[in-house]
Amino acid sequence: SQQGEEDPQALSIQEGENATMNCSYKTSINNLQWYRQNSGRGLVHLILIRSNEREKHSGRLRVTLDTSKKSSSLLITASRAADTASYFCATVPILTGGGNKLTFGTGTQLKVEL
Amino acid sequence: NAGVMQNPRHLVRRRGQEARLRCSPMKGHSHVYWYRQLPEEGLKFMVYLQKENIIDESGMPKERFSAEFPKEGPSILRIQQVVRGDSAAYFCASSPVAAGDQPQHFGDGTRLSIL
Repeated sequence: SQQGEEDPQALSIQEGENATMNCSYKTSINNLQWYRQNSGRGLVHLILIRSNEREKHSGRLRVTLDTSKKSSSLLITASRAADTASYFCATVPILTGGGNKLTFGTGTQLKVEL
Repeated sequence: NAGVMQNPRHLVRRRGQEARLRCSPMKGHSHVYWYRQLPEEGLKFMVYLQKENIIDESGMPKERFSAEFPKEGPSILRIQQVVRGDSAAYFCASSPVAAGDQPQHFGDGTRLSIL
């Protein structure tokens, strides 16, 4: 089963509105990362939040992390048509045999309409 | 400043044939990860390699699948005797170090179709 699950599965908004996506996970983590995937392309790293952080900002992105609830949210403010993509959360577990193997959620498909 | 390069972008094979997927990591990156993505799903980890070593292959099927990352040249994911269920997008990612707080850099994937 997926370590992470995003909610909602699909989201359609108008340009200029804010988009909020949520992610839940199951095990203790070292960090949680958000990636964007445009159709037919690879994933692009957006932001990383460590387990001892509660909130992080990067441009129009705001990420929160609640380790007690094992959940995270990604907020995209003032959305643009170019933000249309699938968004995935990915976790890195605390205990790892090496490397930073990512466990991905199921993704949120965001559509921003003009 | 090339990113992660994967080839081919699309690969069509008939059942029973072999598929070889190549991945050249970003310059200076010695850690490579392979993931598989089925339609409408997230990526699932397959294998993690450093130069000449397989570090973690816990996500890779025990039969028909193998991976390598030789001292010289790209990383190769090989699937022998392909079946319809192997149809998916296969992504390679790289990172410069093994630290858990490093983002991964992804290629654009190889889309494998099995006839």
